[in-house]
Formats: sequence, structure tokens, C-alpha cells
Amino acid sequence: AQSVAQPEDQVNVAEGNPLTVKCTYSVSGNPYLFWYVQYPNRGLQFLLKYITGDNLVKGSYGFEAEFNKSQTSFHLKKPSALVSDSALYFCAVRVDSSYKLIFGSGTRLLVRP
Amino acid sequence: SQTIHQWPATLVQPVGSPLSLECTVEGTSNPNLYWYRQAAGRGLQLLFYSVGIGQISSEVPQNLSASRPQDRQFILSSKKLLLSDSGFYLCAWSDQGGGELFFGSGTQLSVL
Repeated sequence: AQSVAQPEDQVNVAEGNPLTVKCTYSVSGNPYLFWYVQYPNRGLQFLLKYITGDNLVKGSYGFEAEFNKSQTSFHLKKPSALVSDSALYFCAVRVDSSYKLIFGSGTRLLVRP
Repeated sequence: SQTIHQWPATLVQPVGSPLSLECTVEGTSNPNLYWYRQAAGRGLQLLFYSVGIGQISSEVPQNLSASRPQDRQFILSSKKLLLSDSGFYLCAWSDQGGGELFFGSGTQLSVL
């Protein structure tokens, strides 16, 4: 069965510092990987995806993620964090033959001024 | 451009009452449609998905049901709500190519 794990409940970082939000996955097949962000009482907003090709994927709001097949990871990164980046971040995975998107438990990012 | 509408935004219902949440998508045809539930602002649980009119797949046995009476309309229902049905319900769509999901703004359901 496919699954995705976000090992950190919360990540704290100072504004201007780089940030990393971790995600690992387990699938039998080719993974499609996604990152979403959620602000309080709102729906999820799509940030970026990896389907195939270049392992470094660039997305919205200056975020990027690196696909690492040997470590089965897809960590979200940003070179310089903003206070407005504070939100709940979700990693998700689907296998290429499936319609279902499976989400991780979420990581709360807190960027302090 | 494509848009997804989900309503109501907030709903307070007594235990044992019926439920109907509606979701519609505009600007696309034959989308995949999904209902997720999010408990306590955390992980998302897939409840139902549909790849076509009248085709519903249920992921979790529960007190809820889903229907897709039209191509771009997805309805979540219950005949009798339980306290445990409280949560944040999210509708989403994707194209048939299996790409990313696009989410509605959600419905906060409180069952009292």
C-alpha cells in the first residue's frame, strides 16, 4: 500500500533563513509527488509536483522540492523564509495507475520575525 | 479557467439530522471528483472519489454517502449525522490525466 510520511509536526525557522520540510514516501510503482499549503480555515493550495524528469522541481512562492529516489524522499525547501510562509504544509503521493492522492499528516511551519 | 465551488462554508447540525454538502466545478469537463475530511486541522482522509457520472468509490465505511448526478456536481450526504462526523470537509477535482488536485474552500461541519 502506498503511504507518505511527514516526520515533523512542526518546523520553526527565523525569517530570512532557509527552510526544509521533510517528506518520505512508500509506493510500489512510479510515484507522482505533490506539495500543498493550507492557511487557517481554507482549502489546500497546490505548490508543486514531481511527475518525471528533473529531480529539482520549482513551484509557487519561491518553493522548490528535490526528488530523491534512493532515499524515497521529496523534501520541500525555500532559500529564504518569510513570515507569511507560516502555514500547514502537506506532502502527497499517487501511483501512476491510481486516481487516489494520499496525504501525509502535515507539518506546521512557523517563521518567526 | 477552472473554478470549484463548495458550500456552505460553515454548518452546525444536531445529531441525527440529515446532511447535504454540494460541490460544483466550472471550466472543465469529465473531471475526477473527490471528498476529503480533515480532522482537527491535520491530516486528510479520502472519503469518496468519482471518475464519472454515477461512479462512486468509497474509501472508508461510514455514515456518509456520495453521489454524482451530473458531470461537474458532487454531493456528500448523510441520513443521520453522528458526533464523529464533525470536521472540515474538502471537495477537490483533477483532470483525467492524474495530475494535481484543486481544492474548494471547505465546509466546517459541527455536529452537536
